[in-house]
Amino acid sequence: GAGVSQSPSNKVTEKGKDVELRCDPISGHTALYWYRQRLGQGLEFLIYFQGNSAPDKSGLPSDRFSAERTGESVSTLTIQRTQQEDSAVYLCASSLGGGARTDTQYFGPGTRLTVL
Amino acid sequence: GDSVTQMEGPVTLSEEAFLTINCTYTATGYPSLFWYVQYPGEGLQLLLKATKADDKGSNKGFEATYRKETTSFHLEKGSVQVSDSAVYFCALITSYDKVIFGPGTSLSVIP
Repeated sequence: GAGVSQSPSNKVTEKGKDVELRCDPISGHTALYWYRQRLGQGLEFLIYFQGNSAPDKSGLPSDRFSAERTGESVSTLTIQRTQQEDSAVYLCASSLGGGARTDTQYFGPGTRLTVL
Repeated sequence: GDSVTQMEGPVTLSEEAFLTINCTYTATGYPSLFWYVQYPGEGLQLLLKATKADDKGSNKGFEATYRKETTSFHLEKGSVQVSDSAVYFCALITSYDKVIFGPGTSLSVIP
């Protein structure tokens, strides 16, 4: 079956513009995760959805970042007034939702964001 | 706070050498522990996991044991192959579902 898909695969934007990143999880997966990976660094956890709710938003770096999920499927990560330090690969993962501590996460290919 | 520390890379080994990548963690409660791998040009994928103390995760010849007394989850393989060249990430998920990844360790295996 289809894996996690993300769009766009690459996004170049100018500083100060808003961007919207999309994640389509594996069908039937109720849990969805967003991460940020800066060049040469590990993954930084941003937010986790169980269904349409996000119990912990503390990983979002600033109030310029927001995420939503509707219909227990697609999720969008929005970055407002982008800054150069937002340049990174943004990864999405999904899992069955039996529990984050035991689930296997399946990762998408990522969206490479470059802020000029 | 909760954190994961991995040995710094890059690590370069000859084929058939023994591999250890150290991972230690700090977390309250009882986290689950994971190793993820990213092969060149591919996405992250789960390599193995352990959800409670003394559990051993294993896959593709790799093993890691959840050691609560030393707060460690070291990754080992007895004989590495060129195809094992990748970046390896240690990760934990806390008892309140917060996910923390280590910085990754790059492994290169040369013939």
